[in-house]
Amino acid sequence: EDQVTQSPEALRLQEGESSSLNCSYTVSGLRGLFWYRQDPGKGPEFLFTLYSAGEEKEKERLKATLTKKESFLHITAPKPEDSATYLCAVLPYSGNTPLVFGKGTRLSVIA
Amino acid sequence: ETGVTQSPTHLIKTRGQQVTLRCSSQSGHNTVSWYQQALGQGPQFIFQYYREEENGRGNFPPRFSGLQFPNYSSELNVNALELDDSALYLCASSTGTGGSGNTIYFGEGSWLTVV
Repeated sequence: EDQVTQSPEALRLQEGESSSLNCSYTVSGLRGLFWYRQDPGKGPEFLFTLYSAGEEKEKERLKATLTKKESFLHITAPKPEDSATYLCAVLPYSGNTPLVFGKGTRLSVIA
Repeated sequence: ETGVTQSPTHLIKTRGQQVTLRCSSQSGHNTVSWYQQALGQGPQFIFQYYREEENGRGNFPPRFSGLQFPNYSSELNVNALELDDSALYLCASSTGTGGSGNTIYFGEGSWLTVV
């Protein structure tokens, strides 16, 4: 069964304090790994898609990396506006199988 | 701007009633999928449509049904509402099924409360 586990469930950082969020996955075959940001009461906002082990992508203070078993979302010098829930999802190889999500990591950045 | 628009944004229904939620996708996005997200949980897959035909379904009962129309809009219907159906319902669309650079975009969701 395809499965995604995110850790920690919640993370509280001081402004400027860098950290990483983890996404561990088991999947029959990986077509892509997606990261989304979700603000309270809103839909998920697309951040990155990673397709193969070793791939890295960056956007502002965020950098996503991928290995064969996990992905990390690194947050460098976070600001209060980075506070949100970060969702990780895998797209298994079958074309008719949708995204399988983790429960998310709730990030709070304190000024 | 994702180009995915959902309506209504919030609604309250009584147990046993029926509800229809709507989604409008970008032109050319021939794949649409619906997810249910309970508070504190990740989104759970309900079903997916590709070129107006259902081509995947999650672990949801038949009272959850849907349609996709030629104009890239779709709808989710839920009959005989139960209290546990209270959740955020998300519509996602893409060209193809999300591989090889086809980003999957989500709408802002419809909050359903069943009382």
